[in-house]
Amino acid sequence: KNQVEQSPQSLIILEGKNCTLQCNYTVSPFSNLRWYKQDTGRGPVSLTIMTFSENTKSNGRYTATLDADTKQSSLHITASQLSDSASYICVVSGDYKLSFGAGTTVTVRA
Amino acid sequence: KAGVTQTPRYLIKTRGQQVTLSCSPISGHRSVSWYQQTPGQGLQFLFEYFSETQRNKGNFPGRFSGRQFSNSRSEMNVSTLELGDSALYLCASSLLKEDRAFFGQGTRLTVV
Repeated sequence: KNQVEQSPQSLIILEGKNCTLQCNYTVSPFSNLRWYKQDTGRGPVSLTIMTFSENTKSNGRYTATLDADTKQSSLHITASQLSDSASYICVVSGDYKLSFGAGTTVTVRA
Repeated sequence: KAGVTQTPRYLIKTRGQQVTLSCSPISGHRSVSWYQQTPGQGLQFLFEYFSETQRNKGNFPGRFSGRQFSNSRSEMNVSTLELGDSALYLCASSLLKEDRAFFGQGTRLTVV
């Protein structure tokens, strides 16, 4: 069964600090890996999408990495802001199916 | 360019009723997928349509059905509603299946 595991389940950080979210997957075949940000009560918004040949991609203060050999990805948030408080979902695409992680809830405090 | 539009945004139904949710994809997008999101289960895949054909289906009972029209707009129907169907239902569209998916704001369904 294809699985996407995210860690931690939740975390609290102070405004201005950095944090890193993890995503491990067993999806095969692999097409691409996506990170989404979902604010409470709203639909997910795409942050990054990476294919097998890409090992890093940035979107402003968000930087995603991918190690296709170990099937691991991370999302790094730099200089966090209050607006970064949200759920971050790792989604792996393969064989025309999307597999979703349970998400990491990030709370940024002033 | 308008984003993915879902209607209605909020809905309250009683057990046993049926409900129809609507999704208008981004213009030009032909793939529309539906997801159920609950606090305990996260995002669960319901089904995906491409050019009016259902290409993939998740593990949901037959009470959940959908369709896609020639203009790519999609509807999802849930019959004989149960309390456990209360959730945020999200629709996502993409140009092709493997492309970046754009999500709508969702329809919050509450079954009482």
